[in-house]
Amino acid sequence: DAKTTQPPSMDCAEGRAANLPCNHSTISGNEYVYWYRQIHSQGPQYIIHGLKNNETNEMASLIITEDRKSSTLILPHATLRDTAVYYCIVRVVYNQGGKLIFGQGTELSVKP
Amino acid sequence: NAGVTQTPKFRVLKTGQSMTLLCAQDMNHEYMYWYRQDPGMGLRLIHYSVGEGTTAKGEVPDGYNVSRLKKQNFLLGLESAAPSQTSVYFCASSGDSSMREQYFGPGTRLTVT
Repeated sequence: DAKTTQPPSMDCAEGRAANLPCNHSTISGNEYVYWYRQIHSQGPQYIIHGLKNNETNEMASLIITEDRKSSTLILPHATLRDTAVYYCIVRVVYNQGGKLIFGQGTELSVKP
Repeated sequence: NAGVTQTPKFRVLKTGQSMTLLCAQDMNHEYMYWYRQDPGMGLRLIHYSVGEGTTAKGEVPDGYNVSRLKKQNFLLGLESAAPSQTSVYFCASSGDSSMREQYFGPGTRLTVT
């Protein structure tokens, strides 16, 4: 699975959009981009995933560049409860067992 | 639905002792996983299972064994605990495709002295 690079930390003001970048320059054509987050001391929580089109759900939007070498997770109106570590993961479609390889992630702090 | 549950929540072991961590899911998921998380790091996959009666090694399998005798349960065993196995252990499950999102349990905090 391709490696990802994320900034170690970011701040965001409450109510503003949080834009979390991820670089995955070695991604191959059969790899999806997944985002999970981990609120302190809890198990990770799935947010969203995509292949090449932009995706949106009730939690967030995922913007993937046309060359697929990078992506941005957008939390449109960040709240204090969005403070967490956000993990960007790329994984092969139909790989055995659907394994996720976690990196270090970005620690997002939402401030009042 | 309880989702994914883990037993116990906390445990302290002495070096050389053995124990079993239990993961249970009530979502009829095919795939189950065990991860460990050390301070300041992301999760690392220990073992996983793609169905009842099957298991496979992940990134860091040494020192651990697993069993999946029933679809809803995935057990992680430490035969002879070492201080290096002090960690938080997370179990996860996912549906009938490797593409599906994983649902994580609340974690087991294990300390080996």
